[in-house]
Parts: sequence; structure tokens; C-alpha cells
Amino acid sequence: DQQVKQNSPSLSVQEGRISILNCDYTNSMFDYFLWYKKYPAEGPTFLISISSIKDKNEDGRFTVFLNKSAKHLSLHIVPSQPGDSAVYFCAATRKEGSSNTGKLIFGQGTTLQVKP
Amino acid sequence: GAGVSQSPSNKVTEKGKDVELRCDPISGHTALYWYRQSLGQGLEFLIYFQGNSAPDKSGLPSDRFSAERTGGSVSTLTIQRTQQEDSAVYLCASDLIGEQYFGPGTRLTVT
Repeated sequence: DQQVKQNSPSLSVQEGRISILNCDYTNSMFDYFLWYKKYPAEGPTFLISISSIKDKNEDGRFTVFLNKSAKHLSLHIVPSQPGDSAVYFCAATRKEGSSNTGKLIFGQGTTLQVKP
Repeated sequence: GAGVSQSPSNKVTEKGKDVELRCDPISGHTALYWYRQSLGQGLEFLIYFQGNSAPDKSGLPSDRFSAERTGGSVSTLTIQRTQQEDSAVYLCASDLIGEQYFGPGTRLTVT
């Protein structure tokens, strides 16, 4: 039972354009969502997160949108740069106000390629 | 500053042998997690340590897998009688304020 799904295994965009990565979840108890970026042979790197009390969080070129009614979140990267080429994972957890995230449930990942 | 470190970076072992994977979390981080990533898959939660509480072992795939965290710092993941399906990248993460910081992983290959 895949509780977090990234249905697009890959995405290719032109440099300077917007990249939109999507993620769906099934467990309505999740209240905290994160996006990670992973380069080959490295561990995932935290990008941005959002609490379920918000519907948008922005950090520089990265914005995460959360639609709780649809159980859907997306990561927007604007403008996309070649260095953004990597695998992007969304993750979800039930944080319940704790300072720690608790165990993360990850999607399968989307490979983003940004072409110069 | 020191991040999460893991050793060894690569481990090749024969089927049936035991292996130990080590994780050194970021100093002061109270929570420590183990995940694994099989080829073409997302990250799969294995086990979670939070301070002195009993660990959450709900993700361990079989009783061949165990982990301990000594002194609230270093953690060791042990896989007994390894099988070929145990081949994966094993990732450790630590967390203090709502962001999990990952180590580079240990690539385990069981031949």
C-alpha cells in the first residue's frame, strides 16, 4: 500500500522555465510534508517543507503547494536551472506538534532533467 | 560543520553472512532514523530512535534486521544471514527541529 505516490518517474524542462513536481498521498493523518533532492551517490538533501495548516510555503526559487482536500502537493521550481537536475522525493509524516519529524513515508521519486 | 556520516560507504558480502552498518549522527540530534533504498525504489523506513524512548521498529522487514543506538549517539544496523534481496543503499538520518539530515549511505551488495 503506497501511501505517498509520485506518479511521474521523470520530467524534462528547459532552463529558465518552471518545473512542477507532483505528489499524492492517501493517509489523511499526515500533517507535515517535505521535499528532498538527491544526487547520485549522495544522501537526500532537505529542500522545503509545509505544515498541513498552510497551503503554500516559499523559499527562494522553490514553492510547495498543499491541497489537503485533494491530498495533493506540488513543488514548483522557478526558474529552473541545470543544477536542479536530480531526483526529487516527496515525503509525509504525522508530526503532531513534535519537534522531530518522526518516520517519513517517501514517494518513489521523480527524476528532473533541466536542459540548458 | 560535521554532517551525518556512515561507514562503510560500500559493502560486498556473501549470502548468509552478517553485516554491520554504522551511522554517526549530527552532534546533539536526538532523533536517528534508518531507511533503505532498493534499486529504482523510494526510501523505505526501517527504524527510528528518539532519545531514551523505545525505538520504533515498525519498518524492519524481518527479524534478521536489528539496530541499536549507544549513548544516544552512534547507531549500528545489523543484518544477519544476509539475502540477495537485502541489497540496497542503507541511509541514516538525524533530526532535531523538523528536518532530517541524511548521510551519504552505505551501498550493500549481497552476492
